[in-house]
Amino acid sequence: DAKTTQPPSMDCAEGRAANLPCNHSTISGNEYVYWYRQIHSQGPQYIIHGLKNNETNEMASLIITEDRKSSTLILPHATLRDTAVYYCIVRRSGSARQLTFGSGTQLTVLP
Amino acid sequence: DAGVIQSPRHEVTEMGQEVTLRCKPISGHNSLFWYRQTMMRGLELLIYFNNNVPIDDSGMPEDRFSAKMPNASFSTLKIQPSEPRDSAVYFCASSSGGLAGTDTQYFGPGTRLTVL
Repeated sequence: DAKTTQPPSMDCAEGRAANLPCNHSTISGNEYVYWYRQIHSQGPQYIIHGLKNNETNEMASLIITEDRKSSTLILPHATLRDTAVYYCIVRRSGSARQLTFGSGTQLTVLP
Repeated sequence: DAGVIQSPRHEVTEMGQEVTLRCKPISGHNSLFWYRQTMMRGLELLIYFNNNVPIDDSGMPEDRFSAKMPNASFSTLKIQPSEPRDSAVYFCASSSGGLAGTDTQYFGPGTRLTVL
């Protein structure tokens, strides 16, 4: 699976959009971009994933650049409960395989 | 859907005792994963099953650890004998393990194990 690079920490004001970047310059054509988050003392929570098109669900939007070497997770209206560590993971799908979590980005939503 | 269920949520035991952690995956999922999380090592995979069969147990630390999946709705992770360095949060996750690129893993709330 391709390696990912994320900033170690970010702050965001409550009610504003949180934009979390991820670089994955060595991504292969059959690798997906997954985002998970982990709120303190809880299990990792799936947020969204995509291959090359932008994706949106009830939690977030995922913007993938045309060359697929980077992506941005967008939380449109961040709340205090969105404070968590966010993990960007690149992996092949098609078979059951482990998730490899890096160090992620600690997002702190400020009141 | 109740999600992945783990029990107990907290376990405190003494060194040398046997510990059994339990997991019920999401109904219909055919892959199950056991992870361990510590401050030092982060989140690491211990073992995963596909269709109740262990596929990769290379992450199991040593013979003191064993895992079973007797049926599609239940798995156990056993540590015998337990040691203080086993103290961690243990997560179970499940996925549908499909071929269509949608094998998203869903995690349980974890079991926080403390070995004194």
